[in-house]
Amino acid sequence: DVKVTQSSRYLVKRTGEKVFLECVQDMDHENMFWYRQDPGLGLRLIYFSYDVKMKEKGDIPEGYSVSREKKERFSLILESASTNQTSMYLCASRNLGGFGYTFGSGTRLTVV
Amino acid sequence: QKEVEQNSGPLSVPEGAIASLNCTYSDRGSQSFFWYRQYSGKSPELIMFIYSNGDKEDGRFTAQLNKASQYVSLLIRDSQPSDSATYLCAVTLTGGGNKLTFGTGTQLKVEL
Repeated sequence: DVKVTQSSRYLVKRTGEKVFLECVQDMDHENMFWYRQDPGLGLRLIYFSYDVKMKEKGDIPEGYSVSREKKERFSLILESASTNQTSMYLCASRNLGGFGYTFGSGTRLTVV
Repeated sequence: QKEVEQNSGPLSVPEGAIASLNCTYSDRGSQSFFWYRQYSGKSPELIMFIYSNGDKEDGRFTAQLNKASQYVSLLIRDSQPSDSATYLCAVTLTGGGNKLTFGTGTQLKVEL
């Protein structure tokens, strides 16, 4: 069975901290994505990557960066966490020509 | 105008009834359409995808696509309490490659 694993289910960080959210997929998928999900706003795309070392901004990239050094791993970095980055973060992957995304279980991040 | 629109609900149906969930999209060139189910506190899971006009059936689920009217719907027959969840509509936009754009979801409640 295909799997997307996010390293933390719940995370509490302080304002100003640098935060790393890790995502690993075991499906050899080329495409990986980071979304955040907030009530009433739905899923919004932060960054995505079509292949190793490639990254593109999504709809709300401000305050975030990403890293994809290996095909299976896509990391989301909050350079200086702020309270408005408190959210559910969802990682997803997709094969070229594949049918939809496979999502990880999500990381609920609280910034205090 | 939002790119993908859904009524937030909640949509309440009695057990055994047909639940009808609707989604409209603004990009006439959109080609791929997906329905995800998301239980509270969980990540979205793909339940249906459709590319061509008409109906596509999978068990109790039927996806309907009308590109001329720019809407896609999901019918759930013989609704069960376990179908109670938020249903997300997602669309690939023209020039968007493999990115999915999501609606904010419709909450479905199936009542005993």
